Amino acid sequence: AQKVTQAQTEISVVEKEDVTLDCVYETRDTTYYLFWYKQPPSGELVFLIRRNSFDEQNEISGRYSWNFQKSTSSFNFTITASQVVDSAVYFCALPAGGTSYGKLTFGQGTILTVHP
Amino acid sequence: DAGVTQSPTHLIKTRGQQVTLRCSPKSGHDTVSWYQQALGQGPQFIFQYYEEEERQRGNFPDRFSGHQFPNYSSELNVNALLLGDSALYLCASSPPGLRHYGYTFGSGTRLTVV
Repeated sequence: AQKVTQAQTEISVVEKEDVTLDCVYETRDTTYYLFWYKQPPSGELVFLIRRNSFDEQNEISGRYSWNFQKSTSSFNFTITASQVVDSAVYFCALPAGGTSYGKLTFGQGTILTVHP
Repeated sequence: DAGVTQSPTHLIKTRGQQVTLRCSPKSGHDTVSWYQQALGQGPQFIFQYYEEEERQRGNFPDRFSGHQFPNYSSELNVNALLLGDSALYLCASSPPGLRHYGYTFGSGTRLTVV
């Protein structure tokens, strides 16, 4: 069975601070994808990033960066120079079936509050 | 280009009643999945529809059923509502083929059972 754990329930930072959200996962698939989603108060889950397990190169996209380490089953997400608009709940998610796009298993979510 | 649209946005029902939630997928998408998100929790997969058939199902009782129409829109039906069914119900759509950059989610229907 797949499992996604986000140990941080809530994080509070002041604007312009960097913040890292942790995600640890369990899967028996040898190849797989991982996602990060953002859920603002409106409720809609907004897709942020996708990572595949066979490419461990870490990347940066604007203020977002991610650190994928297959050896420790971790997929951490960093926001640089946080802004008030980044306040939301962030979810790490793992699709079933390896590279297929089956059901997503979500973590419990991390509530991020960015204070001005 | 409209994304995933769900209706209604909010709904209040009485325990024991039945409810139908609706979802229109993003243009070009043919697969619809439904998720239940209880307050303070991550979304839980209910089921997925493709070609008008239920293709995958999560750990939900038979009180939860669905349908997909030829235009790819979908309905989620819940019978004999329980207080514990109160949640945000999210619909997600995805396009044909295996390569895409994540599902597109709607804003959800907030169901309150009293």
